[in-house]
Amino acid sequence: DQQVKQNSPSLSVQEGRISILNCDYTNSMFDYFLWYKKYPAEGPTFLISISSIKDKNEDGRFTVFLNKSAKHLSLHIVPSQPGDSAVYFCAASDLHSGGYQKVTFGTGTKLQVIP
Amino acid sequence: EAGVVQSPRYKIIEKKQPVAFWCNPISGHNTLYWYLQNLGQGPELLIRYENEEAVDDSQLPKDRFSAERLKGVDSTLKIQPAELGDSAVYLCASSSVETGQPGELFFGEGSRLTVL
Repeated sequence: DQQVKQNSPSLSVQEGRISILNCDYTNSMFDYFLWYKKYPAEGPTFLISISSIKDKNEDGRFTVFLNKSAKHLSLHIVPSQPGDSAVYFCAASDLHSGGYQKVTFGTGTKLQVIP
Repeated sequence: EAGVVQSPRYKIIEKKQPVAFWCNPISGHNTLYWYLQNLGQGPELLIRYENEEAVDDSQLPKDRFSAERLKGVDSTLKIQPAELGDSAVYLCASSSVETGQPGELFFGEGSRLTVL
């Protein structure tokens, strides 16, 4: 049972345009949603997150939108740059005992930004 | 500040051989994780440590996998014997409830295992 789903394995976008990466989830107990970025031969790195009580969080060129009723979130990158080419993992976390946030990852979307 | 350090970066072994991966987390991070990442998939949790205690090992195949975190700092993940299906990237991560965003994990570069 995959609780976090990224249905698009890849996405190509022209430099300067908007990149939109989508993610769906099934567990309504998730209280934080995160995006991680991964370059080849490196580990994933945290990019941006959003609390379940918000519907938008912006950090520079990156904005995450959350639609709780649809159990859907998206990451917008504008303008896209060639250095944004990477695999993006959607992740969600829920609170467990001791303050521990258990993180569940999606399968990733490979973004290619074409110069 | 040094990040999460893993070794070896790459390992090629024949099936039925043992293999071990080592991880040094970020200083002060009490929580340490081992994740498995298969090709085309997201990271999947194998085991989580709080200090030296394994508090979530429900996804660790205990017949062939073992892990330890002596003294609550470095950790070792072992596979014995390795099978062809174990070929994957093994990621170590650490976190602290006192720093970072909720759910923010700090990953090492991973250890890529190829079993022939």
